[in-house]
Amino acid sequence: GENVEQHPSTLSVQEGDSAVIKCTYSDSASNYFPWYKQELGKGPQLIIDIRSNVGEKKDQRIAVTLNKTAKHFSLHITETQPEDSAVYFCAAPGSQGNLIFGKGTKLSVKP
Amino acid sequence: GAGVSQTPSNKVTEKGKYVELRCDPISGHTALYWYRQSLGQGPEFLIYFQGTGAADDSGLPNDRFFAVRPEGSVSTLKIQRTERGDSAVYLCASSPGGTVKRETQYFGPGTRLLVL
Repeated sequence: GENVEQHPSTLSVQEGDSAVIKCTYSDSASNYFPWYKQELGKGPQLIIDIRSNVGEKKDQRIAVTLNKTAKHFSLHITETQPEDSAVYFCAAPGSQGNLIFGKGTKLSVKP
Repeated sequence: GAGVSQTPSNKVTEKGKYVELRCDPISGHTALYWYRQSLGQGPEFLIYFQGTGAADDSGLPNDRFFAVRPEGSVSTLKIQRTERGDSAVYLCASSPGGTVKRETQYFGPGTRLLVL
């Protein structure tokens, strides 16, 4: 079955800097990779996703890149702001369409 | 439009008691998932419904856990004889249900269960 590894577990950046979170997956057949942001006391919120027919997708300050050969994908946040502080999860599809999540990255953006 | 809703938002119970957690998916979504999230961890899959039927319940930890979705919309997760280790956030997600392996799943706010 699918296995997702996420690094780093914590990340602290200065406001305005960039943040990068990386994930690897094991199932070469996986074809959909979402990223979720979870704030304290709330459910995960989808922020961006990528399907395997593209290598990069951008949405304002957020981008995701996918390397199918190496089986890894990354989240890039540019010009970070204090409100970007949260826990970020990557995921990949399981055998029945359920999502297999990484362990999360706690991002802290210092003003 | 309305997102996924879950009730109650918090539930405190005593060891050995029975609890029910409710999920209202986004209207029209045929796929519904339950996940459990322990502190400091990512969500872990419990069960998946396509319509009224449980398409995959391989994530349920044991037979104390059961879920239903009788009319293909609202779902209830039921936990019998609760144990302290059941304490976690229980998350529900829904998706349109077409090509489920490539669809966005929308999560509810979760129910925080504490078993004393």
